[in-house]
Amino acid sequence: GDSVTQMEGPVTLSEEAFLTINCTYTATGYPSLFWYVQYPGEGLQLLLKATKADDKGSNKGFEATYRKETTSFHLEKGSVQVSDSAVYFCALSDYAGGYSTLTFGKGTMLLVSP
Amino acid sequence: DTEVTQTPKHLVMGMTNKKSLKCEQHMGHRAMYWYKQKAKKPPELMFVYSYEKLSINESVPSRFSPECPNSSLLNLHLHALQPEDSALYLCASTTGTGERANEKLFFGSGTQLSVL
Repeated sequence: GDSVTQMEGPVTLSEEAFLTINCTYTATGYPSLFWYVQYPGEGLQLLLKATKADDKGSNKGFEATYRKETTSFHLEKGSVQVSDSAVYFCALSDYAGGYSTLTFGKGTMLLVSP
Repeated sequence: DTEVTQTPKHLVMGMTNKKSLKCEQHMGHRAMYWYKQKAKKPPELMFVYSYEKLSINESVPSRFSPECPNSSLLNLHLHALQPEDSALYLCASTTGTGERANEKLFFGSGTQLSVL
């Protein structure tokens, strides 16, 4: 079945440091790929998505590129802020019957210190 | 309105209680979901409703009973729960219209459930 593998956390960075969170996937077909973010005590918010190979999703300074050849969708940000501290989930969608179901990675906690 | 609203935000219940979780969206979405999330874990799919019909039940115990009274509302009825059912219960919705470009899920803030 489909699966998503993320790097283990927590990732601890100082403010303005460069961020990379690795994500690789296994899937049949051509899934869409997503990064969701979860702040403490809240639900999940879509951060960015890409629907086909070589697409780049971007939002709030975060970027990820859909790499079919390496089955990867790594999340990057050039300069993190304390407010970016959260748990980040990589996910892929299985689309059938007119709706999607998401398969999530285990999540990576990011801690940014001033 | 681009929100999925869940009530209550917090719920404490005993193992003999009956309670319900509620979820509402007014985005015209036709697919609605229940996910369960344990601490420090990813969300796990429980149920999917498409056009008010139950489409997926991920082998969830019968003490969890979903209901979709109309296209805007989704309930999760709880009865005789166990302490291990304590978790964050997340509702989500998506367009469900068959257009793949719109397949992102919108999540509510969740109900934090504690079973004593």
